[in-house]
Amino acid sequence: DTEVTQTPKHLVMGMTNKKSLKCEQHMGHRAMYWYKQKAKKPPELMFVYSYEKLSINESVPSRFSPECPNSSLLNLHLHALQPEDSALYLCASSQVSGQGNQPQHFGDGTRLSIL
Amino acid sequence: KQEVTQIPAALSVPEGENLVLNCSFTDSAIYNLQWFRQDPGKGLTSLLLIQSSQREQTSGRLNASLDKSSGRSTLYIAASQPGDSATYLCAVRLSVNSGGYQKVTFGIGTKLQVIP
Repeated sequence: DTEVTQTPKHLVMGMTNKKSLKCEQHMGHRAMYWYKQKAKKPPELMFVYSYEKLSINESVPSRFSPECPNSSLLNLHLHALQPEDSALYLCASSQVSGQGNQPQHFGDGTRLSIL
Repeated sequence: KQEVTQIPAALSVPEGENLVLNCSFTDSAIYNLQWFRQDPGKGLTSLLLIQSSQREQTSGRLNASLDKSSGRSTLYIAASQPGDSATYLCAVRLSVNSGGYQKVTFGIGTKLQVIP
């Protein structure tokens, strides 16, 4: 069991659909992250939220739209995705610490398939 | 740009053997290094985090070392078990940022299989 919960676990959608991925944590972490992971590749950072504000956008296409409605929730809104966007989408959270000694905690991911 | 390399890409060992996984990074000005485990189709589980000022960290049968000057870290697994089979990734954090969050670069991982 992980302390970061992602829903849904699997998602199949067409290129014209609109869907959302959800992530929730109740560890009091104030930094939350979205990663994209393709098969046999390492996770690639997409977005970082710190204190509910977007701190990093790694030049992600606008068809991916993040949202952090409160300190426990992180959403990723999807629209007009391409087949190459099929991947495992991972959410993570961590304490905000200037000392950098706080590990990231990951959810189990959402397996996304674009038809 | 920080690059993280992990060798070997895959490793198969009999149960009970001690083993070492390697991670190297090109920019030695790191802030910390973290080892993760990933099971197939799952998220990442943090195993050990080593601060740049530390030389090693231990947790149970796991020991991670860090040599910043040479740009290397090793993960030592003692008395391996079939349940240790997974992909092991190292991740390097390059700098402190004012936001206090972790911006890391991952290696591609070492896929470990422990044979009963």
